[in-house]
Amino acid sequence: EPEVTQTPSHQVTQMGQEVILRCVPISNHLYFYWYRQILGQKVEFLVSFYNNEISEKSEIFDDQFSVERPDGSNFTLKIRSTKLEDSAMYFCASSYAGGANGDTEAFFGQGTRLTVV
Amino acid sequence: AQKVTQAQTEISVVEKEDVTLDCVYETRDTTYYLFWYKQPPSGELVFLIRRNSFDEQNEISGRYSWNFQKSTSSFNFTITASQVVDSAVYFCALSEAQNRDDKIIFGKGTRLHILP
Repeated sequence: EPEVTQTPSHQVTQMGQEVILRCVPISNHLYFYWYRQILGQKVEFLVSFYNNEISEKSEIFDDQFSVERPDGSNFTLKIRSTKLEDSAMYFCASSYAGGANGDTEAFFGQGTRLTVV
Repeated sequence: AQKVTQAQTEISVVEKEDVTLDCVYETRDTTYYLFWYKQPPSGELVFLIRRNSFDEQNEISGRYSWNFQKSTSSFNFTITASQVVDSAVYFCALSEAQNRDDKIIFGKGTRLHILP
């Protein structure tokens, strides 16, 4: 069964460093997402991406964050200068069609646990 | 605006007891989707169910069952004859069809402890 894969599963970085989280969405999917879950809290929507541009972003997704689809398969989340409060589990997801465009759903990856020290 | 409320922060039950996790949602959309996810200690999100707003039939899958009531905007989840392996955080979630994408809004989760 096709799945969303994320690498690495766990990343430790020093405060102030840039970090890139990688995701390989399901191959025929068109919509891509990043979610964040701070330890012990709920899963929060960060951003959605369609047709090589951001479709929607939350207030959490500030200028420190960026997303990119550098080739036909990867979808990345970059945090420019990490802060301690960026420590969280980051989930990537993908879906074939969005919202009113079709009765589809998003599939989640296993998550990348980011620890900022 | 869409919102999901899981009023139960934490529940503990003894193994083999039945337990119901509550979920109340808010949406202005007439077409929407409701979800339940399980998050075990390992951290991944395990998809349990997706329900279309037009399908109010209750669903049963093994020991799991879901009660969808549009009149009260609730989508409750019951585990029958609970087992220790059911211990996890359970998230209820909502997606609106009017969104351009399949963005999902999660509740805060209910941490379920099944005691042996």
